[in-house]
Amino acid sequence: EPEVTQTPSHQVTQMGQEVILRCVPISNHLYFYWYRQILGQKVEFLVSFYNNEISEKSEIFDDQFSVERPDGSNFTLKIRSTKLEDSAMYFCASSLGANVLTFGAGSRLTVL
Amino acid sequence: SQELEQSPQSLIVQEGKNLTINCTSSKTLYGLYWYKQKYGEGLIFLMMLQKGGEEKSHEKITAKLDEKKQQSSLHITASQPSHAGIYLCGAAPSGTYKYIFGTGTRLKVLA
Repeated sequence: EPEVTQTPSHQVTQMGQEVILRCVPISNHLYFYWYRQILGQKVEFLVSFYNNEISEKSEIFDDQFSVERPDGSNFTLKIRSTKLEDSAMYFCASSLGANVLTFGAGSRLTVL
Repeated sequence: SQELEQSPQSLIVQEGKNLTINCTSSKTLYGLYWYKQKYGEGLIFLMMLQKGGEEKSHEKITAKLDEKKQQSSLHITASQPSHAGIYLCGAAPSGTYKYIFGTGTRLKVLA
């Protein structure tokens, strides 16, 4: 069964460092998403991406965040200068259309 | 903005018991998704409901959508330890791809 793959599974970084989280969506999917889940809290929408541009973003997704689809397979989330409060599980998801999202297993980011 | 509220927040049941989880939207629902999350893992799709009154079942899990009440319910019959996890409802406001999720219901099933 096709799946969404995320790397790394866990990353530890120092505050102020740049982090790139990587995702390989399902190959025929057209819509891509990043979500965040702070420990014990709800899954929060960050951004959706379609046709090589951001279609929607939340207020969490400020100038410190960016997304990119550098080639035909990868979808990345970059955090420019990490803060302690960026520590969370980050989930990538993809969908064929406006329907079911398939999620990856997540990347746990710990900012020290 | 649309919010999804789930109840109860947590639930502990004895194996074999039935249970119901509710999801209430602050705005009109144009489809409702149910996902399950095991602790520290990704979200696994369970069911999608698109029309008012729609009811779907998969194994021992049944979900219904009441558009008028802006609510959905998830019912598990004869619960098993494998049903344990966090159940999340999700929806996207009409015309957007901004899928949001509810607050989650943490289910524990005692063997």
